[in-house]
Amino acid sequence: QQQVKQSPQSLIVQKGGISIINCAYENTAFDYFPWYQQFPGKGPALLIAIRPDVSEKKEGRFTISFNKSAKQFSLHIMDSQPGDSATYFCAALVTGGGNKLTFGTGTQLKVEL
Amino acid sequence: KAGVTQTPRYLIKTRGQQVTLSCSPISGHRSVSWYQQTPGQGLQFLFEYFSETQRNKGNFPGRFSGRQFSNSRSEMNVSTLELGDSALYLCASSLEQDREAFFGQGTRLTVV
Repeated sequence: QQQVKQSPQSLIVQKGGISIINCAYENTAFDYFPWYQQFPGKGPALLIAIRPDVSEKKEGRFTISFNKSAKQFSLHIMDSQPGDSATYFCAALVTGGGNKLTFGTGTQLKVEL
Repeated sequence: KAGVTQTPRYLIKTRGQQVTLSCSPISGHRSVSWYQQTPGQGLQFLFEYFSETQRNKGNFPGRFSGRQFSNSRSEMNVSTLELGDSALYLCASSLEQDREAFFGQGTRLTVV
C-alpha cells in the first residue's frame, strides 16, 4: 500500500521557471511532511518541511503548500536553476511514532538552460 | 560538525553470504534509522533504533536485522543474501524523536 503518492515521475523545466511537484497522502495520522533532495551518488538531503497547522512555508526559492482537507502538499521551486536538477522526494511521518519516514516515489527534475 | 558516516561505501557480496553495514550518526543524535533504496521500490524504511532499542520495524524479512551501541553507532546485518537485496542502504540520524532526519551517503550493496 503506497501511503504517499508523488507526481510527476519526471519533470523538465526551463531555467528561471517554476518547478511544481505534488504529493498526496492517505494516512490522516501523518503530521510532519519533509521534502528531500537527492543528487546522484549522495544520500537525500532535507530541503524544507511543514506541519499541518500552517498552509504554506517558504525558505528561499523553495515553498511548500499544504492542503489538509485534500490531504495534499506540494513543493514549488521558484526561479529554477540547473543546479536544482536532482531527484526530489516528499515524505510523511507520524509524530510520536518514532522517526519512521514514509516516502513518495520521487520526481526526477531537470532544469534546462 | 561531521555528518552521518556510513561504511563501507561500496560492497560486493555473493548470494548466500551475510553482510554488516555500519553507521555513525551525527554527534549527539540518539535516533538512527535505516532505509533501503532501489529503483523499483524507492525508499523503504527498514528499522529505527533509539537509545539502543529498536523502536520501529518495517516490512522486511527477518534476514534484515540491526543494533545500536551505547555511543549511538548502529549496524545493520543482512544474512543469506539474495540478488534482490542489491540496493543503496541509507542511514539517517535524528537528535531525538520526531526531529529532522539527516542522511548519510549510503552503502551501495551489490549481490552477485
